[in-house]
Order: sequence, then structure tokens, then C-alpha cells
Amino acid sequence: AQSVSQHNHHVILSEAASLELGCNYSYGGTVNLFWYVQYPGQHLQLLLKYFSGDPLVKGIKGFEAEFIKSKFSFNLRKPSVQWSDTAEYFCAVDMFSGGYNKLIFGAGTRLAVHP
Amino acid sequence: GAVVSQHPSRVICKSGTSVKIECRSLDFQATTMFWYRQFPKQSLMLMATSNEGSKATYEQGVEKDKFLINHASLTLSTLTVTSAHPEDSSFYICSGGGLGGEQYFGPGTRLTVT
Repeated sequence: AQSVSQHNHHVILSEAASLELGCNYSYGGTVNLFWYVQYPGQHLQLLLKYFSGDPLVKGIKGFEAEFIKSKFSFNLRKPSVQWSDTAEYFCAVDMFSGGYNKLIFGAGTRLAVHP
Repeated sequence: GAVVSQHPSRVICKSGTSVKIECRSLDFQATTMFWYRQFPKQSLMLMATSNEGSKATYEQGVEKDKFLINHASLTLSTLTVTSAHPEDSSFYICSGGGLGGEQYFGPGTRLTVT
């Protein structure tokens, strides 16, 4: 069955540290890839997306992600995190399943950034 | 960005009663809307996909007679939890599909069934 895996459930960093969150998916067809962020008490917001073209995509707030097709991965990165990046991050893959396209979410990674 | 609203944000109901949750796309037309359920500290699980003017498509394991979805217009979809039970208590989130293939999420509705 199609699935999305996020390797880190909880990540704790100090401000200015670099961040990389892993995301892998299992699906052999064409996919669209997303990272969403959920700040405390807020709704899901789109950080960035990949549909085609340059596999290195840049999103809001200094985030970027790289699609590596051979590894079925779409890892999220940020060179220097801030306290305000404390949130939950969800990788999602839009894939064709059961006769139509749908978004499959990873379990999420809870990031805590300490000053 | 596109805005999706949900109403109510919180609802408490007694076991056996029905609850309706509204999802509206405020500044765009959503041909397709999605309903998710999120358990505490877990990810979003797709419940159903609704297309305007047609029947919703439910994910495996989701009871369509219990979770009634109506997508009456391009800006409104409703989820009715019928004969609610405590195990239906959860966070329900809707989203509207954008032209670019992304989804715009509502703020969610926390349902508590006592």
C-alpha cells in the first residue's frame, strides 16, 4: 500500500542550528510532493511543493526541500532555525490510489527550537 | 493564500445525537473538498473526497452512513456525524483543492461526544 514515512517524530534544536527532516514515500508512479506546517493552535499551512522541474524547491520562511526520485525522498531543510519555527511538520504526497488522486500524509515531526 | 473556514470550531454533543460541520472556501471555488480526521499526536487521515454535485468517495473503513458528506456548492461542503458516539470524538479538518493541485486547509473542528 502507498505510504509516507517521516523518520523523526520529535526533533529538538537550538536556535541557529541546521534542520533536516526526512520524508520517504512508497509509490512507483508520478507524485506531487508537499510539506505542510502546523504552528501551535493554528491550521495547516503550505510550506512548499514540488510538481516537476528543478528537484530543489524553495518555500516560505527559508525552507527548502529536495526531491530525489531514486530514493523516493523529499527531505525538508533549513540552514538556520529560529524559535518561531517551533511547529509540527507534515510531509504529504499526492498519489493516484483507489481510482483517483489523494493526499497521503506522513505521521508528522514535532520540532521544538530552544532559544 | 486561499482561505478555508470551518464552523463550528468546537462542539460538544451527547451520544446518539448528530452534528453538522460546515466547510467553506472563502475566496476561491473548490471543485473538490476533502475531509480528514486527526487523532491526538497523529497525522491526518483522509476520510472522504467530495466533488461538487456528486456523491462523496469514502476511504476504506469509513462508514458513509455515519459520516454524511454533502458538497452542495463550489464553496460549501458539510460533514454530518450521525448518531455520534464517544469514539467519534476527534479533530475534523476539511480542505479545498486549489487549481495548482495543492490543498488549503481549514482550522479544524474539535468534536467531543459525551
